[in-house]
Amino acid sequence: DIVMTQSPVSLPVTPGEPASISCMSSQSLLHNNGYNFLEWYLQKPGQSPQVLIYLGSNRASGVPDRFSGSTSGTHFTLNISRVEAEDVGVYYCMQSLQIPWTFGQGTKVEIK
Amino acid sequence: QITLKESGPTLVNPKQTLTLTCTFSGFSLTTGGVAVGWIRQPPGQALEWLATVYGNENKLYSPSLRSRLTITKDASKNQVVLTMTNLDPVDTATYFCAHRRTSNFDFWGQGTLVTVSS
Repeated sequence: DIVMTQSPVSLPVTPGEPASISCMSSQSLLHNNGYNFLEWYLQKPGQSPQVLIYLGSNRASGVPDRFSGSTSGTHFTLNISRVEAEDVGVYYCMQSLQIPWTFGQGTKVEIK
Repeated sequence: QITLKESGPTLVNPKQTLTLTCTFSGFSLTTGGVAVGWIRQPPGQALEWLATVYGNENKLYSPSLRSRLTITKDASKNQVVLTMTNLDPVDTATYFCAHRRTSNFDFWGQGTLVTVSS
């Protein structure tokens, strides 16, 4: 199985400041179509997950442009340019290149 | 507008079989580019992918649970059913179904909590 390792586990943030979450995969997620099969989800408190980023760096419909995804080999980063209070929750990365599709353990973002 | 809703029992005895139904609207599960997946989340824990069925009948399963899972679709009823056999207390979780297109789960149901206990 491809293991997804996120860091940090917990991230206190200040509104208006930038934040980043790391996700490392145990194997390459690069498909032969040139895309990395890596997705980012945010699960706000008491809610179902919602997609933020797919194929490594594509922002999903309706997602604010303060969210961006980047890739360097097997290291993936979710960046928030300016954190807002509504961004609190648990962030998950997920790979869908290889069965079983696997999630990271989550990064809990909370306001300082 | 795409919506999905999970339904099924909230309490199941150990060793019994769980049947969950995902009833959806706003899309058709008849083409290969569209799929519905099941993901679960034990209380306070991370998400775990279970299975996905595509509109062209292609089915994907988590290998560790493959012997216990069956996913089926009924496009005419706009439903996807997940069956899990031989339940154990460790299967206690919130079970989500979600619409998948363009390599992401873009719409999710509200989830249904299933408790396995005698």
